[in-house]
This record gives sequence, C-alpha cells and structure tokens, in this order.
Amino acid sequence: DAGVIQSPRHEVTEMGQEVTLRCKPISGHDYLFWYRQTMMRGLELLIYFNNNVPIDDSGMPEDRFSAKMPNASFSTLKIQPSEPRDSAVYFCASSLLLDEQYFGPGTRLTVT
Amino acid sequence: DAKTTQPTSMDCAEGRAANLPCNHSTISGNEYVYWYRQIHSQGPQYIIHGLKNNETNEMASLIITEDRKSSTLILPHATLRDTAVYYCIVRASGAGSYQLTFGKGTKLSVIP
Repeated sequence: DAGVIQSPRHEVTEMGQEVTLRCKPISGHDYLFWYRQTMMRGLELLIYFNNNVPIDDSGMPEDRFSAKMPNASFSTLKIQPSEPRDSAVYFCASSLLLDEQYFGPGTRLTVT
Repeated sequence: DAKTTQPTSMDCAEGRAANLPCNHSTISGNEYVYWYRQIHSQGPQYIIHGLKNNETNEMASLIITEDRKSSTLILPHATLRDTAVYYCIVRASGAGSYQLTFGKGTKLSVIP
C-alpha cells in the first residue's frame, strides 16, 4: 500500500482565496483524521470520520473550515475564505478501528 | 487523557541505545501508552504501544514500570535516521478514545 496520500504537498495562496486540501486514506481503514500543526500550538486534531461520517468536529477552528468524505477513499478539507493565521502544515491520518494512526506527508499551507 | 512529561531534548551516540523516558503519573487503568515520532518535515509515525507488559517490535522496545506511572522507549541501536521528535501519548482504549493528544515531545539528536 502507498500509505496515506495528500495533495498538494505545498500550497501558497492569497488571503481571501478558497483552499482545498485532499486526502486518500489507506485502503480498508475506517477512520480518517485531519490535524493541523503550527509552531505555537503543536499538533491539533480538527475533525475525524468513521465510515465516511463526521463524528467529532469540535476541533475545527471556525465556520470557514469544512471537511467532507464523500467515499471511503477520499476526503477534503476546505478553507473559505483563507486567512494568514491558517498558515500551517495540515496532516491527514487513517486507522483501522481505533488502532495506530498512519499519517500522510502533510500539506504545507501558506496564506499571504 | 492523562498528561505526560518528557525531557525537551536528548542526545545519543550513533550505534548506542537511546532510552527516552516518559512520566504519566495520573494514568488510568484502561489507558495505553503510545509512542510516535516525527522526523523533520514528515508526518508522525507510529512506533509502539502497550498497556502494562513490556512490548517489543522491529522498531523499538517499550518498558512500562509496574505501577505504570512511567515508561521508557528504547531504540536499541540508534542511527542518524532516528533523529526526530518523539511523542509519548496516553490514550484510553475503545470507542470514543480516538484522541491522540500530542505534547511537545523529546527532540532526540543522534550524533555521529
């Protein structure tokens, strides 16, 4: 298996623009997680899905953030409109049941 | 989840064993100890986890004290590629225990 795949790896955008981050989990995994990492706050869980259904989105910072999982092999995290404080590395992770989580390589987002 | 305490940084000579300590004095009976690491610019990587018995896999060994208030991750023969931030995380088992709360971890530097 190729592991968790994220795209793009780097994204630079201007404030106010819409940003869409993509994730393909490991085949067969039933949990998918979105994290954000910054120097100030470390790694934070934003939202997680079980069998494509959002279970807990309490970590999503604002209404500007939304996440979807239309099928078992694809998820998106959208920021609209983006702001400079959204600059961070966004990680997607997947797991089978609630065992160890496998993380993707991350998307480094820079909002200018 | 119980809080964990780890040293901020450690050095280890290449080829020697790296012993990374973690204190989790408020751990509950159903909480596991997990270890992840994050190599620079990569996503976190699962290493090992345990409940109360010592565990070993191809990457490392986990030694948990009898009272479960502390543990040690052992990398038996550290290489330069083991330079990373190592996170000790305590997490309950079962449904609703998805949360991985990453602290600041221990920055391990393997010295040639």
